[in-house]
Amino acid sequence: DTEVTQTPKHLVMGMTNKKSLKCEQHMGHRAMYWYKQKAKKPPELMFVYSYEKLSINESVPSRFSPECPNSSLLNLHLHALQPEDSALYLCASSQSNRGGVGNTIYFGEGSWLTVV
Amino acid sequence: AQSVAQPEDQVNVAEGNPLTVKCTYSVSGNPYLFWYVQYPNRGLQFLLKYITGDNLVKGSYGFEAEFNKSQTSFHLKKPSALVSDSALYFCAVREGPGGGNKLTFGTGTQLKVEL
Repeated sequence: DTEVTQTPKHLVMGMTNKKSLKCEQHMGHRAMYWYKQKAKKPPELMFVYSYEKLSINESVPSRFSPECPNSSLLNLHLHALQPEDSALYLCASSQSNRGGVGNTIYFGEGSWLTVV
Repeated sequence: AQSVAQPEDQVNVAEGNPLTVKCTYSVSGNPYLFWYVQYPNRGLQFLLKYITGDNLVKGSYGFEAEFNKSQTSFHLKKPSALVSDSALYFCAVREGPGGGNKLTFGTGTQLKVEL
């Protein structure tokens, strides 16, 4: 079982709504990630946080706003989304965001987002 | 730039038979290679990785993968497939050591194991 926990598992929101996805890990990891995945496609990196600071933003639209309150928590705030933003949003973590030998990225179960 | 190719969109195999899911990679330096599995409506689960050392890597659920530097391949294998192995499999690569932790994923291979 994954040690990266994501809530909610399912979210339906209107295009004018504001909602948030939440992620928590208790592995002592210092890097956390948000990925977006469409059906049957590989995950696409959105954001990377390293030691609670944003280190990578893959040119994600501003309607997605990440937040890292502490080393165990990662949020993704959603506002004014479009139907094409409907996807599985995966949170992940690793020991650090450097390419060290033991630096495997572990994923959560994901949050299914539907924008109507 | 780094890249991964999974040449088969789908692999079908009978239960009890050996299975192979193919992966080839391209990186400018030493490769760190990973396999992940995604069961229906679930997140990605880490299966195994190659960093250095023995070319045959053993992972979860009886899976193993063989690193072949000359062929730039990292094929996933299992001696005897189970119906429960049916899932979407992703190969991923990043450059190491010293590179960042940005994974490049292949397009995925759907494994279907039939009775």
